[in-house]
Amino acid sequence: AQSVSQHNHHVILSEAASLELGCNYSYGGTVNLFWYVQYPGQHLQLLLKYFSGDPLVKGIKGFEAEFIKSKFSFNLRKPSVQWSDTAEYFCAVNFGNEKLTFGTGTRLTIIP
Amino acid sequence: DTGVSQDPRHKITKRGQNVTFRCDPISEHNRLYWYRQTLGQGPEFLTYFQNEAQLEKSRLLSDRFSAERPKGSFSTLEIQRTEQGDSAMYLCASSPGFYNTEAFFGQGTRLTVV
Repeated sequence: AQSVSQHNHHVILSEAASLELGCNYSYGGTVNLFWYVQYPGQHLQLLLKYFSGDPLVKGIKGFEAEFIKSKFSFNLRKPSVQWSDTAEYFCAVNFGNEKLTFGTGTRLTIIP
Repeated sequence: DTGVSQDPRHKITKRGQNVTFRCDPISEHNRLYWYRQTLGQGPEFLTYFQNEAQLEKSRLLSDRFSAERPKGSFSTLEIQRTEQGDSAMYLCASSPGFYNTEAFFGQGTRLTVV
């Protein structure tokens, strides 16, 4: 079955720390990959996406993600987090069909 | 604001009652999606429309659920005879419908069945 895994359920970091959130999916075919963020009380917003080309993609607010096809992974990174990055982060995959399959999300708490 | 809008934002209903939610997608977006999100989970796909045609329904969408998009613009999601297990956030999203585009989400309707 096609699935998306986010193993970090809750991550707590201090400001200026580096961030890496894991995302793995189970499927050997062509995929489109997304990271969405949900700030408290707000709607899901797209951080970045990968469709093809350079496997290192840059998104908004200093976030980037690397697609490693051999590892079925699309990990999200940010070199130095800010308090305003406190939010829930969702990895989502389009498995070549018309819908997104989401991971369970990672709650990120940044301590000032 | 030209984003996806959903109404109402919150709905509390008694078990057994019917509820209807509305979604207004971004203008000219052909595709409209409904997702459901429960606490501690990511959004789960329910159904989607290409213009007015409902093209796919998830197994999560029981017979008590019905969705429409009558003129290819706004959409409604109705739940009949609500159950406590229906309590969730119902999210609507839209996309232009071209390959390799992302979905834009609304703020959702939070349903509480008491």
